[in-house]
Amino acid sequence: QKEVEQNSGPLSVPEGAIASLNCTYSDRGSQSFFWYRQYSGKSPELIMSIYSNGDKEDGRFTAQLNKASQYVSLLIRDSQPSDSATYLCAVNDGGSQGNLIFGKGTKLSVKP
Amino acid sequence: DGGITQSPKYLFRKEGQNVTLSCEQNLNHDAMYWYRQDPGQGLRLIYYSQIVNDFQKGDIAEGYSVSREKKESFPLTVTSAQKNPTAFYLCASSPGSGRSFGPGTRLTVL
Repeated sequence: QKEVEQNSGPLSVPEGAIASLNCTYSDRGSQSFFWYRQYSGKSPELIMSIYSNGDKEDGRFTAQLNKASQYVSLLIRDSQPSDSATYLCAVNDGGSQGNLIFGKGTKLSVKP
Repeated sequence: DGGITQSPKYLFRKEGQNVTLSCEQNLNHDAMYWYRQDPGQGLRLIYYSQIVNDFQKGDIAEGYSVSREKKESFPLTVTSAQKNPTAFYLCASSPGSGRSFGPGTRLTVL
């Protein structure tokens, strides 16, 4: 059973701090990694994708990938109350064309 | 505006009733997907279609059926065989490995 594991949280950080969200995955054949943000009652929206080891930055967001450790993370700098949401990690299924495996999500709360 | 639309936003089903959830996209994506999300759970794949007139079962296909007669449309039918259908249903499409999601349909069994 291929799995994506995330700490369910809630993760609480003060406004302006760095929020660090972590994800591990079991499928060594995975090549594509995604972070989605989901506000309560809404659908997920893609905020970051990463395909190579290392860091990828986009504005206040940085995704980090370490394939050897099967670990992907998302850093949110200068956290804002509007960042309060559930963050879903998704990893492609290396053995099934096009399938994504989703983690259960980490709930982030940014306190003013 | 390109995007994915789902209807209805809320749907109530009586015991023993079949209901159909609509999903339409104008993104010209070949692949379309249906996911189910339960509270505190990740997204679970119900069915997916990589091309018109072809679709495959996902992890939890029992009690559901789909069709893909047009590239733009991928309706999902929740049959009476699905014993616990109350959930948030998400349709998605993809040009590659990522996903664009529709706004979702919240289904409740009365």
